[in-house]
Amino acid sequence: QQQVKQSPQSLIVQKGGISIINCAYENTAFDYFPWYQQFPGKGPALLIAIRPDVSEKKEGRFTISFNKSAKQFSLHIMDSQPGDSATYFCAASKRPGGSYIPTFGRGTSLIVHP
Amino acid sequence: GAGVSQSPSNKVTEKGKDVELRCDPISGHTALYWYRQSLGQGLEFLIYFQGNSAPDKSGLPSDRFSAERTGGSVSTLTIQRTQQEDSAVYLCASSFLVVDTQYFGPGTRLTVL
Repeated sequence: QQQVKQSPQSLIVQKGGISIINCAYENTAFDYFPWYQQFPGKGPALLIAIRPDVSEKKEGRFTISFNKSAKQFSLHIMDSQPGDSATYFCAASKRPGGSYIPTFGRGTSLIVHP
Repeated sequence: GAGVSQSPSNKVTEKGKDVELRCDPISGHTALYWYRQSLGQGLEFLIYFQGNSAPDKSGLPSDRFSAERTGGSVSTLTIQRTQQEDSAVYLCASSFLVVDTQYFGPGTRLTVL
């Protein structure tokens, strides 16, 4: 499978700060880029997703920035809260014929200090 | 409504034993996926079922791994002759065909002694 590189591996932010997680991909056929949030003992849950026809998508405090030419996308968490402490995974996938098998980054462990 | 459920939540087994992990997807979801998550690692795709189509088994790491999906609903992942490197959290997810969002279960933590 094509690799999706995610950084940083871990991130510590103060409450109210901005958390930024970056991902880079190689396969230009990818056309769907979701971010998942995973709390300990739980399965990942979709947080926000973007397609390459837009450069930015915002949902509340969460924003995805997408740079198609650089094959990079990032997650920004504004006004980070202790409740945002979790592991975040980026993913990328393509949908030939309706099939959808994403490739995941290795995850970023985010800790937001009160 | 009910989400994706998995059982057991934890499984401890001895090396060489067979194990079966169960996934109950969200009702009506036609697609079902199995992933493996090792400590500190991302999600490794194992197998994908879509409706009545032949499953995509391209992610299965060896022929000790197999999966079935009966009646387009419940799925069982079987690992034969377990090895210590099989220790991981096994996650199941389901989705509608035309919707990209995957809904994950809580996972089964497998420990092979």
